Amino acid sequence: DQQVKQNSPSLSVQEGRISILNCDYTNSMFDYFLWYKKYPAEGPTFLISISSIKDKNEDGRFTVFLNKSAKHLSLHIVPSQPGDSAVYFCAASGAGANNLFFGTGTRLTVIP
Amino acid sequence: NAGVTQTPKFRILKIGQSMTLQCTQDMNHNYMYWYRQDPGMGLKLIYYSVGAGITDKGEVPNGYNVSRSTTEDFPLRLELAAPSQTSVYFCASSWPAPNSPLHFGNGTRLTVT
Repeated sequence: DQQVKQNSPSLSVQEGRISILNCDYTNSMFDYFLWYKKYPAEGPTFLISISSIKDKNEDGRFTVFLNKSAKHLSLHIVPSQPGDSAVYFCAASGAGANNLFFGTGTRLTVIP
Repeated sequence: NAGVTQTPKFRILKIGQSMTLQCTQDMNHNYMYWYRQDPGMGLKLIYYSVGAGITDKGEVPNGYNVSRSTTEDFPLRLELAAPSQTSVYFCASSWPAPNSPLHFGNGTRLTVT
């Protein structure tokens, strides 16, 4: 059973516009959420995170929003750049080293 | 710093063969992990370690074994390879807490035929 879901396998956005990537989770015990970015033939790299005590975290062009009541988080990238083209994975964690679950990823293509 | 280094990058195995995927990190991280990623799927945890000498099973451990004799190294052993083990394998490390962001290696693409 997939505890973290990314329902959009792909997304295309024009350069300079906003990219919005969505993620849903089922387990209300998750208290920490992360986004990773993955280029082809490389491992995922950490992008941004948010604790369940917050509803927003911002880092430069990247902002993550958390809606705990809806069990939903989103990643906003503004403005989108061609170098942002990658697969983005959402992850959610509870207590313990074996309690991190990944979504299936969304492939973002930023069109120049 | 090299970060997390995985070898080999690619490997083709015949059914029933064995192999060890190597993983080493130079960041002195206490937590280390092995994940597999199948096409169209998220990463699934195979095994993890909270420190040298301590390992435990993750979500999909069957067909695999690990050891952690040093802080730096966390090899993954496949015994009796099966086609279902065809996947991309990622090693990762983190510090200081279990939910600290993971540092991933570049993966090993394994095909079992």
